[in-house]
Amino acid sequence: DAGVIQSPRHEVTEMGQEVTLRCKPISGHNSLFWYRQTMMRGLELLIYFNNNVPIDDSGMPEDRFSAKMPNASFSTLKIQPSEPRDSAVYFCASSFRTGGDNEQFFGPGTRLTVL
Amino acid sequence: QQPVQSPQAVILREGEDAVINCSSSKALYSVHWYRQKHGEAPVFLMILLKGGEQKGHDKISASFNEKKQQSSLYLTASQLSYSGTYFCGSGNTGKLIFGQGTTLQVKP
Repeated sequence: DAGVIQSPRHEVTEMGQEVTLRCKPISGHNSLFWYRQTMMRGLELLIYFNNNVPIDDSGMPEDRFSAKMPNASFSTLKIQPSEPRDSAVYFCASSFRTGGDNEQFFGPGTRLTVL
Repeated sequence: QQPVQSPQAVILREGEDAVINCSSSKALYSVHWYRQKHGEAPVFLMILLKGGEQKGHDKISASFNEKKQQSSLYLTASQLSYSGTYFCGSGNTGKLIFGQGTTLQVKP
């Protein structure tokens, strides 16, 4: 079985450009999570979905960030316009359902560099 | 509120033991432990769901003291493959809040 798939694996862009990160969760998983990881702030939850519906987006840093999940097998995280401080590794994770009692499976991550 | 992990970093020789602690100022409903190797994604180790629960996986085990709002991860007879950053996660109402991580380095 394929794990969580993310694309691209690396993205280098210039300040002000739009960036779209993509995620395909594990088939059958109903919950999807977007995380950002930096040295300074660690592993932060940005937003999570349950059954394609956004449940908690309190971790989204500002209006420049948006996330969608149009169907059970695809989600995007968009940054527009991007800034150098957005440089980080962005992970997508999925689990069978939400709740603190469920293992999360992480994708390989997208390393974003904004120049 | 982010759980607090201690210590921040540990250096061990192969075969030595280590303990990583995770504490929260808020009630812990469940505790997750993950390990992340350099340049890779976090990988699940175990979940503890109830106070007093203990779990083990190979030579890695954990305990959960619900009253004290803390959990500990025990690594016994460490191996080189144990090197990485260990995160605890506080589980509540659908989401995980991760601690800042503990970096473990096992040397030959």
